[in-house]
Amino acid sequence: AQSVTQLGSHVSVSEGALVLLRCNYSSSVPPYLFWYVQYPNQGLQLLLKYTTGATLVKGINGFEAEFKKSETSFHLTKPSAHMSDAAEYFCAVSFGGGNEKLTFGTGTRLTIIP
Amino acid sequence: NAGVTQTPKFQVLKTGQSMTLQCAQDMNHEYMSWYRQDPGMGLRLIHYSVGAGITDQGEVPNGYNVSRSTTEDFPLRLLSAAPSQTSVYFCASRGTVASGGYTFGSGTRLTVV
Repeated sequence: AQSVTQLGSHVSVSEGALVLLRCNYSSSVPPYLFWYVQYPNQGLQLLLKYTTGATLVKGINGFEAEFKKSETSFHLTKPSAHMSDAAEYFCAVSFGGGNEKLTFGTGTRLTIIP
Repeated sequence: NAGVTQTPKFQVLKTGQSMTLQCAQDMNHEYMSWYRQDPGMGLRLIHYSVGAGITDQGEVPNGYNVSRSTTEDFPLRLLSAAPSQTSVYFCASRGTVASGGYTFGSGTRLTVV
């Protein structure tokens, strides 16, 4: 069964510092990978996605993620944190090819320290 | 605006009551799904549908029913509400993966007392 693990339920970084949120998945077939962001009392917004092709994916708000098949990882990074980045971030995986279910990790709450 | 619309935004139920959470999308997406979000557990799939007339169970289907009579609508029914169903519920729809992934509604916050 597909699964997603997000390391660290809470991450704090200083404003201007590197943001690194970790995501690992388990799969025996090529996955589709997603990062979503949720601001307080709002729904989920797609940050970026990997389906096929280039393994370094750029998303909105300066975020990017790299698909590393050998490490079964899809970590989210941003070079310089901004106060507006404070939110909860979810990694998710699906497998297409008729398997449409999107499975989420448990989320990482990002706090930005002024 | 195109997207996924959920109603109501907030609801309080008494144990044993039934209700329907509404979800509608205007993007002609075939795939629709319902999730519940609980602290520390991420989003868990309740039911999903790959097209009108076709539904299937997700990870946590007990206590919930769905139907899909049209492409646009995918209501979620709570048959007999229990305090364990207190949660935030999200509806999502998807076209092709290449087109942009899943679109989520703004959620329904349900409290069962």
